[in-house]
Amino acid sequence: QKEVEQDPGPLSVPEGAIVSLNCTYSNSAFQYFMWYRQYSRKGPELLMYTYSSGNKEDGRFTAQVDKSSKYISLFIRDSQPSDSATYLCAMSGAGGYNKLIFGAGTRLAVHP
Amino acid sequence: EAGVAQSPRYKIIEKRQSVAFWCNPISGHATLYWYQQILGQGPKLLIQFQNNGVVDDSQLPKDRFSAERLKGVDSTLKIQPAKLEDSAVYLCASSTDGSTDTQYFGPGTRLTVL
Repeated sequence: QKEVEQDPGPLSVPEGAIVSLNCTYSNSAFQYFMWYRQYSRKGPELLMYTYSSGNKEDGRFTAQVDKSSKYISLFIRDSQPSDSATYLCAMSGAGGYNKLIFGAGTRLAVHP
Repeated sequence: EAGVAQSPRYKIIEKRQSVAFWCNPISGHATLYWYQQILGQGPKLLIQFQNNGVVDDSQLPKDRFSAERLKGVDSTLKIQPAKLEDSAVYLCASSTDGSTDTQYFGPGTRLTVL
């Protein structure tokens, strides 16, 4: 079993739709949870960063962490064609050195 | 602020050949990471440097991969000899101090081994 599971998609939605992306994980030591966005032929860029459980909102993006269920989500409201990319969840443990464990990524296509 | 620079962007080699990748992190970042991203998968950490010392190289195939970070700034990752399964994007990232701070990624080097 992988430490982090993520449905690779692809996910295709119309412009303006609400998108829900999810990851599950098995290591209860994870404390820091991130979502990265990766455009084709580019490196990942940090989108959202959450510590422990709870919600965090930034513009059209909302990240949720449920540590009791070992489940994290990213919601994108009013999706735009420019949101078309691969979304990677990543997580790391408490303290120490910042080793990130990534999910496989979900490819999202938002069509006009 | 300039981002993480990597070169070359693309490389095609035949199996058993050698190849080297170069990374220049963001100025002042003490921590440098090399990741391997195979098509359809998330990045996997190969090696992490804190200044010029190795913090984690547990997933680096040491029989063929080597990396160095001289003077705690630039870094090179070498593969010798390359195998078909080494075909991947090699990403370099850097962060301020390697604790829980943000990692900034470069554009990657796409390696194809024929």
